[in-house]
Amino acid sequence: NAGVTQTPKFQVLKTGQSMTLQCAQDMNHEYMSWYRQDPGMGLRLIHYSVGAGITDQGEVPNGYNVSRSTTEDFPLRLLSAAPSQTSVYFCASRSPTGGGIQYFGAGTRLSVL
Amino acid sequence: SQQGEEDPQALSIQEGENATMNCSYKTSINNLQWYRQNSGRGLVHLILIRSNEREKHSGRLRVTLDTSKKSSSLLITASRAADTASYFCATGTGGFKTIFGAGTRLFVKA
Repeated sequence: NAGVTQTPKFQVLKTGQSMTLQCAQDMNHEYMSWYRQDPGMGLRLIHYSVGAGITDQGEVPNGYNVSRSTTEDFPLRLLSAAPSQTSVYFCASRSPTGGGIQYFGAGTRLSVL
Repeated sequence: SQQGEEDPQALSIQEGENATMNCSYKTSINNLQWYRQNSGRGLVHLILIRSNEREKHSGRLRVTLDTSKKSSSLLITASRAADTASYFCATGTGGFKTIFGAGTRLFVKA
């Protein structure tokens, strides 16, 4: 199993550009999440999904969209990139019966100029 | 707002010494987890302790939980250079969300 795969690993955007961060998992997990990690802030939840077709907002959803058309994929879209969105983004998945243990991708490091 | 707060923010020790990291949280929890993050990588789950447990062991890891003080500690015994990483506590409150602290950066000198 590959686990949770994120692409790209690095990305540089100009202010106002849009892009999609990809996330795929092969563990058949129903639950998937997107987090951003900023220095000294820990991980903050952006959006999450409890199954295909079901998404909800986390702590910091503004400026981001998600969709979940399949169990495997959970892309994160930046609508109009801003410098404040410079961060490292992590996708995670877990089973609803797994006690809350999450499996993380390797992350996407995004810089918005 | 953060639920878990780790202490210290950074810790530097010699190989072979024990490393202790603490986590405090604010609300009632169902479980508390510890994760490790190596530089430039994603988080990896280490150990989960449920609210009705007081202590749990996994290899060189020992986790304690004191729900009356809303605190947990992670002890790594006989540290190795490969233990150099950031360590995060994360609390589960029964719903979907898991709330992560800001982490403790551990540096183990060979």
